[in-house]
Amino acid sequence: QITLKESGPTLVKPTQTLTLTCTFSGFSLSAREAGVGWIRQAPGKALEWLALIYWDDDKRYSPSLNSRLTITKDTSKDQVVLTLTNLDPVDTATYYCVHRRISWSGVEYYQHWGQGTLVTVSS
Amino acid sequence: DIQMTQSPSSLSASVGDRVTITCRASHGIDNFLNWYQQKPGKAPELLIYAASSLLTGVPSRFSGSGSGTDFSLTINSLQPEDFATYFCQQSFRPPHTFGQGTKVDIK
Repeated sequence: QITLKESGPTLVKPTQTLTLTCTFSGFSLSAREAGVGWIRQAPGKALEWLALIYWDDDKRYSPSLNSRLTITKDTSKDQVVLTLTNLDPVDTATYYCVHRRISWSGVEYYQHWGQGTLVTVSS
Repeated sequence: DIQMTQSPSSLSASVGDRVTITCRASHGIDNFLNWYQQKPGKAPELLIYAASSLLTGVPSRFSGSGSGTDFSLTINSLQPEDFATYFCQQSFRPPHTFGQGTKVDIK
C-alpha cells in the first residue's frame, strides 16, 4: 500500500523560504521508473504542477517557478524535500506530494496523493 | 507550457443524467491525458489515465476518450457521489499542466 504524507510549516512570512517534506511508504524511489512530485492548489483555484524527481535523480520544474524551486530526495529515509524561496502571499496554497507512475504505453500519471498541507504566507 | 482548457467550467445536472466534460490541449499530446476527481477538502483522485484507461476500482460509468488535442470525460448515469470537481492533466511534457477544472453540482 502506497502512502505519502506532507509535513512542514503552516504559516510563513513573505520573503522567507518554505521547506516541505514528503515522507512516503510502499515503494522505493531508487526503483526504476519511480518518481515523486509536488502539486499545489491555491484556495478555490486549479491545480498547479510544481516539480518532479525521478529514481535516477533527474528533475523537472515548472518554468514559471524554476528559479525558486528545488526538489531533492533521500532514498534512505524515503523522503522528498521541496524548497520554495522568496515566498509571496500568492504562494498560499495546499501543497500535495504525489507518486508518479507510468503506464505500459509510457503515459505518466499520479495515482497516489498525500492528504495535502495548507501553507499560508502572511506577515 | 502546454495549456489545457476545460469546458464547461461548471454544470448542473441531476442524478441519472449523462454528463460530458471536454478538455483541449494547446499542442498535440497523443494520449498523454489523465482525469482526476476532487471533492471539497480532499486530495484529487485519479479516475482515468492515458486518455481512456479506467483505473482499477473506478466505476464503469466513467469513461474517457480522445487523442491529439481534444479529449472528453463522460459520466453515464450520474450518481450522488459524483458531484465534485473534475480536472484534466497532460503528461506529454513537463510541466504536467492541469485544466482549470469543471465543477459538477446538483441541479
